[in-house]
Amino acid sequence: SQELEQSPQSLIVQEGKNLTINCTSSKTLYGLYWYKQKYGEGLIFLMMLQKGGEEKSHEKITAKLDEKKQQSSLHITASQPSHAGIYLCGAASGGGADGLTFGKGTHLIIQP
Amino acid sequence: GAVVSQHPSWVICKSGTSVKIECRSLDFQATTMFWYRQFPKQSLMLMATSNEGSKATYEQGVEKDKFLINHASLTLSTLTVTSAHPEDSSFYICSATDPNSPLHFGNGTRLTVT
Repeated sequence: SQELEQSPQSLIVQEGKNLTINCTSSKTLYGLYWYKQKYGEGLIFLMMLQKGGEEKSHEKITAKLDEKKQQSSLHITASQPSHAGIYLCGAASGGGADGLTFGKGTHLIIQP
Repeated sequence: GAVVSQHPSWVICKSGTSVKIECRSLDFQATTMFWYRQFPKQSLMLMATSNEGSKATYEQGVEKDKFLINHASLTLSTLTVTSAHPEDSSFYICSATDPNSPLHFGNGTRLTVT
């Protein structure tokens, strides 16, 4: 079965600094999703990447997909308190969407 | 570790019937559970937030009368798809929040309405 490893597990960053979260898959990535969650709230969809080399941005968050490395990275520029939360990557195990495999999440804390 | 159990893992029903999906937190109490839906090749999207002892909060565009959510105890939330139609065929997944650990997901339920 496919496994996703996220790193780091937790991250404390000073406000205004940049940061990167990585998600590495044990198998070929057919689609990679990034979500954000705050404690006690549901998942918030951020981005979906489907093609190797694809890069998408949403406000100050950019995600890239390296198909060869079976890896995706999420980069936040000039972090803000609103970026705090848990970032979760999820991957499709096949060509369809027969369930997603998720990483364990990266807990991001922004220090003022 | 904490586990969320979702049942059934797959179900096939006829159009017009209702289907109930259960989401249980096995070794922790979950005051809040979440229900997601995923259509083929699309992202997992939040449908509703299930709160123990109170009404669920539905996301915009989700019909509350069609997708009935009941969170009767701290370990069980149910999602009932009423009068199911083929367009309701999808993958439904729940998640639960544990104060000590952020995220636990069920394995999902694949619903096929014929």
